[in-house]
Amino acid sequence: DARVTQTPRHKVTEMGQEVTMRCQPILGHNTVFWYRQTMMQGLELLAYFRNRAPLDDSGMPKDRFSAEMPDATLATLKIQPSEPRDSAVYFCASGLGQGSETQYFGPGTRLLVL
Amino acid sequence: DAKTTQPNSMESNEEEPVHLPCNHSTISGTDYIHWYRQLPSQGPEYVIHGLTSNVNNRMASLAIAEDRKSSTLILHRATLRDAAVYYCILTLYNFNKFYFGSGTKLNVKP
Repeated sequence: DARVTQTPRHKVTEMGQEVTMRCQPILGHNTVFWYRQTMMQGLELLAYFRNRAPLDDSGMPKDRFSAEMPDATLATLKIQPSEPRDSAVYFCASGLGQGSETQYFGPGTRLLVL
Repeated sequence: DAKTTQPNSMESNEEEPVHLPCNHSTISGTDYIHWYRQLPSQGPEYVIHGLTSNVNNRMASLAIAEDRKSSTLILHRATLRDAAVYYCILTLYNFNKFYFGSGTKLNVKP
């Protein structure tokens, strides 16, 4: 049963530290999405990639967030420096890149910035 | 981006059908209607999607109004495992940005 995996599942860090979250999309999927979920804002799309190229990162704070796909099996989301307001659950999802595709979500990384 | 409106919460009894409504009066002709659900402490999962015709799968049915301005997700026999937040989302064909609203929190009573 193919699944999206995310590491770490939980992260507690102090303000100012760098945080790196990793995602392994389902093998063969060429589209990767990063979402953030908070109680106040709900689920927000931060960025998405197709064939490893960033298609849209308009939802991402540019000054501290960066997203990359070093290869087809790994997507990363980095926050540097982290702030308490970045505390949230970060989800990665992948898809086949076809019209109106289904997105398959990972279990999320729960981030707490103190 | 086209907006969807859903009730904040609904309640159902176990083993009974549940009809979850969604209004999308500004839908365009090329918008697909997707439903996802999020179980507690999990990522969202796909339920069903459609364009114009009603759709059925093993999880649920999707009934789409003739004018496409509303749709209804139907769970034929609710179980306790169906307690989740259900999201109705519109997306353009081949433009896969999903905008999740606040969804409907479904509570299933034994």
